[in-house]
Amino acid sequence: DIQMTQSPSSLSASVGDRVTVTCRASQTINTYLNWYQQKPGKAPGLLISAASTLRSGVPSRFSGSGSGTEFTLTISSLQPEDSATYYCQQSYMTPWTFGQGTKVEIK
Amino acid sequence: QLHLVESGGGVVQPGGSLRLSCAASGFSFIASGMNWVRQAPGKGLEWVAFIRYDGANKYFADSVKGRFTISRDNSRNTVDLQMNGLRPEDTAVYYCVKDGRWEGDFDYWGQGTLVTVSS
Repeated sequence: DIQMTQSPSSLSASVGDRVTVTCRASQTINTYLNWYQQKPGKAPGLLISAASTLRSGVPSRFSGSGSGTEFTLTISSLQPEDSATYYCQQSYMTPWTFGQGTKVEIK
Repeated sequence: QLHLVESGGGVVQPGGSLRLSCAASGFSFIASGMNWVRQAPGKGLEWVAFIRYDGANKYFADSVKGRFTISRDNSRNTVDLQMNGLRPEDTAVYYCVKDGRWEGDFDYWGQGTLVTVSS
């Protein structure tokens, strides 16, 4: 199975800060990498697919990059509504696997 | 408006069975792969099972292989997860999830249904 490792596990940042979350795959997955946002008590929602394709309706302050085994999710200017847990997920091969999540909090 | 509505969750004893159902609307169900993804209380996400748009291919996580089955009825726009031999570690919220452009891209999620395995 492909292991997905996110860092950090949690972070606290101020409104307006630039925030970066890293996701590493245990083997190459090309750009078969998705990012999800989950707020407490809610189902996750797709933010970015294919490593860098922003889903329609997602604010442009979110961006994704990377290929192979290393990927990043960047929030260019953190907003209060971005407080959530973010998960990466590989869709390269089954079993499709998720990172353990990164909890983003607002200072 | 796309909707995925799960039902069938509840409390079951270890070794018992439960059948979850997901009713889909607002998109071309017959053209979409469907999945179940679960989340144990306070934990992360775990993909559980997939069924191809025509039911021809089915994949399962190793943790449920041989115990869970997935099926779909394209005439009723439903996808089911039959769970047998339930264990306490199967306790989780189970989400019905639609595939996006590619298999494994989870583009729409239901609200989830809670399954609790406890004596």
